[in-house]
Amino acid sequence: AQRVTQPEKLLSVFKGAPVELKCNYSYSGSPELFWYVQYSRQRLQLLLRHISRESIKGFTADLNKGETSFHLKKPFAQEEDSAMYYCALNSNTGNQFYFGTGTSLTVIP
Amino acid sequence: DVKVTQSSRYLVKRTGEKVFLECVQDMDHENMFWYRQDPGLGLRLIYFSYDVKMKEKGDIPEGYSVSREKKERFSLILESASTNQTSMYLCASSLKGYGYTFGSGTRLTVV
Repeated sequence: AQRVTQPEKLLSVFKGAPVELKCNYSYSGSPELFWYVQYSRQRLQLLLRHISRESIKGFTADLNKGETSFHLKKPFAQEEDSAMYYCALNSNTGNQFYFGTGTSLTVIP
Repeated sequence: DVKVTQSSRYLVKRTGEKVFLECVQDMDHENMFWYRQDPGLGLRLIYFSYDVKMKEKGDIPEGYSVSREKKERFSLILESASTNQTSMYLCASSLKGYGYTFGSGTRLTVV
């Protein structure tokens, strides 16, 4: 069965400090992993997907199949990064996503 | 840009009422989904649909039903609303293999 785990419900860092939001998954195939973000009073939106290997808003995430992880990282946190972050896994069929429980990130000025 | 529109931003309904939540997408996506979002529980899938008139149960379908008569519209129905269905409801659509596009959400309060 597919499962996505985000161990931290709340995470606070100071502005300018590095931030890492953890995501681990269990999956019996080749996973496709995503990070979604929801800023205050805005809709949930795609932040990045692992197959793109891109950096969005300074965030990167590397798929580590050995550790079954897809941690989201940013070297220098900004106040505008404060949001709820969800890790998600795409199913075998490519139609359905499985979401973690989310991590609420607060960047302290 | 794909747009997913949920008809109501806020709804207040009484216990026992039948409630309809509407979702429309404008990019011809095959897949549509209904989630509820609760603090500490994340997003939980209620129902999804891969095609018109097709529906599949998600993880928490009890107390809900759905309707997809047209490709662009996916309705969530609470047959008899209860207080434990107070939540934020999110609709999403996607093409197979691509990320979701979410609506703004409907915050439903059942009193």
